[in-house]
Amino acid sequence: DAGVIQSPRHEVTEMGQEVTLRCKPISGHDYLFWYRQTMMRGLELLIYFNNNVPIDDSGMPEDRFSAKMPNASFSTLKIQPSEPRDSAVYFCASSLLGRETQYFGPGTRLLVL
Amino acid sequence: AQSVAQPEDQVNVAEGNPLTVKCTYSVSGNPYLFWYVQYPNRGLQFLLKYITGDNLVKGSYGFEAEFNKSQTSFHLKKPSALVSDSALYFCAVREEGNTPLVFGKGTRLSVIA
Repeated sequence: DAGVIQSPRHEVTEMGQEVTLRCKPISGHDYLFWYRQTMMRGLELLIYFNNNVPIDDSGMPEDRFSAKMPNASFSTLKIQPSEPRDSAVYFCASSLLGRETQYFGPGTRLLVL
Repeated sequence: AQSVAQPEDQVNVAEGNPLTVKCTYSVSGNPYLFWYVQYPNRGLQFLLKYITGDNLVKGSYGFEAEFNKSQTSFHLKKPSALVSDSALYFCAVREEGNTPLVFGKGTRLSVIA
């Protein structure tokens, strides 16, 4: 298996632009998680899905952030409009049955100028 | 609510010496405990986990961790450190049931030749 796939790996954009991050979980996994990592705040859980349904989005920082999972093999995290403070590394992870080990993608490094 | 603490931001150890990275946790029920490692510009990689059974858990790359229920600790250990072990290490905990992992802030391990 290729593992969790994220794209793009790097994104540089200007303040106010829309940013879309993409994730393909490991085939057969039924949980998908989006995290954000910064030096100041460490690793933060933004939202997670079970069987494509959002379960807990309490970690989403603002209404500018939205996430979807239209099917079992694809999820997006969108920021609109983006701000410099959104600059971070965004990770996607997936797991089987929730309680099992989470497997992380390589991350998307986002820089908002 | 579950929580995890990694009291050391940085651990320095000489190559060949034993290493310990500390982790304490708080949960209301039985804990599921995990250690992950993050190399520069990479996603988190699973090292080992404790769910039940023997208190000493062996994982990847020669790492092991000891679950101590009375001290609510799950310290990561390795008998002989390698320079290539230098990375950021995360402890994580979750409770029984389908709750997401809670990660510590991470400990940066530096192994000096």
